[in-house]
Amino acid sequence: AQSVTQLGSHVSVSEGALVLLRCNYSSSVPPYLFWYVQYPNQGLQLLLKYTTGATLVKGINGFEAEFKKSETSFHLTKPSAHMSDAAEYFCAVRGAGSGAGSYQLTFGKGTKLSVIP
Amino acid sequence: GAGVSQTPSNKVTEKGKYVELRCDPISGHTALYWYRQSLGQGPEFLIYFQGTGAADDSGLPNDRFFAVRPEGSVSTLKIQRTERGDSAVYLCASSFGPNTEAFFGQGTRLTVV
Repeated sequence: AQSVTQLGSHVSVSEGALVLLRCNYSSSVPPYLFWYVQYPNQGLQLLLKYTTGATLVKGINGFEAEFKKSETSFHLTKPSAHMSDAAEYFCAVRGAGSGAGSYQLTFGKGTKLSVIP
Repeated sequence: GAGVSQTPSNKVTEKGKYVELRCDPISGHTALYWYRQSLGQGPEFLIYFQGTGAADDSGLPNDRFFAVRPEGSVSTLKIQRTERGDSAVYLCASSFGPNTEAFFGQGTRLTVV
């Protein structure tokens, strides 16, 4: 079984400030981890993903995330927020290997990011 | 097309009516997924197709929901006797295979009044 917890349904940061969106997961198999962004009235766009290898992964738009197995976390960060980063962000987990967990994405409830000018 | 296309983008229907939601995946993608996103929630898995067959329909909430993909490309999600609780955004995604990156469409916002 897999689950994702995103701490904070709504996060506000000032333009230029650090963005930190928290994600913790549970998985009975080695996980693949994802962050998606959703702009209003649009579908989900993949920001970045961790599968294997380097635990610090870089994505689009200056975002990065670090996989910490000991903490079962995959927090999303960006050094300097931009107005265009205002959107909803979803963390998701999928299992490696075969079986239902290998293709089903399990999402968190999302964190809405507001950027204050 | 270049991306996953879903039609209609918005659908308003009366309680008890039947609706069909269409998904046109990226060309060459054999895997297709439907998810449902209720207000304030993350997307939840409904069904997964590999080719023409439903490999996993365990996420369908009840027998009012059904999906098909007769030629291994376009898929239709069908909802009978709609209820107000079915109101949500229905997202479709496709990928080259089950373990590859899934690309999402913009979704169909279904409102049952």
